[in-house]
Amino acid sequence: DAGITQSPRHKVTETGTPVTLRCHQTENHRYMYWYRQDPGHGLRLIHYSYGVKDTDKGEVSDGYSVSRSKTEDFLLTLESATSSQTSVYFCAISEAQGRAYGYTFGSGTRLTVV
Amino acid sequence: TQLLEQSPQFLSIQEGENLTVYCNSSSVFSSLQWYRQEPGEGPVLLVTVVTGGEVKKLKRLTFQFGDARKDSSLHITAAQPGDTGLYLCAGRTTDSWGKLQFGAGTQVVVTP
Repeated sequence: DAGITQSPRHKVTETGTPVTLRCHQTENHRYMYWYRQDPGHGLRLIHYSYGVKDTDKGEVSDGYSVSRSKTEDFLLTLESATSSQTSVYFCAISEAQGRAYGYTFGSGTRLTVV
Repeated sequence: TQLLEQSPQFLSIQEGENLTVYCNSSSVFSSLQWYRQEPGEGPVLLVTVVTGGEVKKLKRLTFQFGDARKDSSLHITAAQPGDTGLYLCAGRTTDSWGKLQFGAGTQVVVTP
């Protein structure tokens, strides 16, 4: 009954290839986020969306693009994967941006670029 | 540089002991949240604090928001192995447009 799912859960890809990660939600939340998690850095925001076709960059957006054509789906694309993009990627959703609202996270995608 | 600094980075204790994790910043936050993350899973929200000086209790967990809204602490009483996990603090500043910014986390290990 998870309200947010990420696919794939694990992926190994070669340097220079494009990769797309998918986040799917069933909560009808307006806000969706992509983070990467690396040891010592915590969670860093890559891109976020505040509605269908409305997206903006986060703090580590270079080399990444996103698309949101439907409320329920938020896609993250690594245009040409590099070894520095080896990481665990998390999608999160939020009903609103107010200070009392928290995020619900997916289970993550572990991406290895070789 | 992290906007939110967590300390310690790692904490290993025996079951039954108490522990405190700190989250500090030079910025003022409109709210601060604590999440717990277990291996192979995403973070799960534990609590949100919004008022300076606020204290919230969740069973054996006590959360405090600093008076100046720049820091927070998480205290666990009589820790159990089930408390093992990565604890993350996250905050919203007034200029972050509502987006959460996360600390690097404190890894807590509670051994039986």
